[in-house]
Amino acid sequence: DTGVSQNPRHKITKRGQNVTFRCDPISEHNRLYWYRQTLGQGPEFLTYFQNEAQLEKSRLLSDRFSAERPKGSFSTLEIQRTEQGDSAMYLCASDGQAQETQYFGPGTRLLVL
Amino acid sequence: AQTVTQSQPEMSVQEAETVTLSCTYDTSESDYYLFWYKQPPSRQMILVIRQEAYKQQNATENRFSVNFQKAAKSFSLKISDSQLGDAAMYFCASQDSNYQLIWGAGTKLIIKP
Repeated sequence: DTGVSQNPRHKITKRGQNVTFRCDPISEHNRLYWYRQTLGQGPEFLTYFQNEAQLEKSRLLSDRFSAERPKGSFSTLEIQRTEQGDSAMYLCASDGQAQETQYFGPGTRLLVL
Repeated sequence: AQTVTQSQPEMSVQEAETVTLSCTYDTSESDYYLFWYKQPPSRQMILVIRQEAYKQQNATENRFSVNFQKAAKSFSLKISDSQLGDAAMYFCASQDSNYQLIWGAGTKLIIKP
């Protein structure tokens, strides 16, 4: 499978716990994006990387959120001290320099109890 | 800041007929991309069609075509010969020079057999 993959697909956690999600982009893509989508809404941009550099962060990304892409390949998104408002689908996408079309993974659905 | 507006929360169409989904956007950029994505229930975001703003010709992909009116900042999607598999949420999105996608709220498309 050469598409974008995300793990886990579902995560249930208790308020106050930390969670980490992983995204593996399409192998030749150097840009990687994170979006958040709440039920019935369009996605909202969180952050993006070009190779290992994090170039843009939304103000939605509070200090409890951190994202990394240490070797310019896979990326992780960590949420510390989760809150019920963090419950959402977290989407990852990637694209390459010549394409400018983002391809999406299946998402990680987070439920904070 | 860029904005994208989809004014139709829900649309329905008889199988084999044609339906048009509306989208308007606002941007101060001169060069940008516009996209339609579909998101079937519990499935991932899939690219339907994309349009480069500098191209006057409307993009077409099989049964899917757009009506791009740059001056009016309008970008509607026409689906011909609607099929049951077209049922999904359809999102319009614009991409700015920072590569992030700005999304509309989506239109739920129902196909009546």
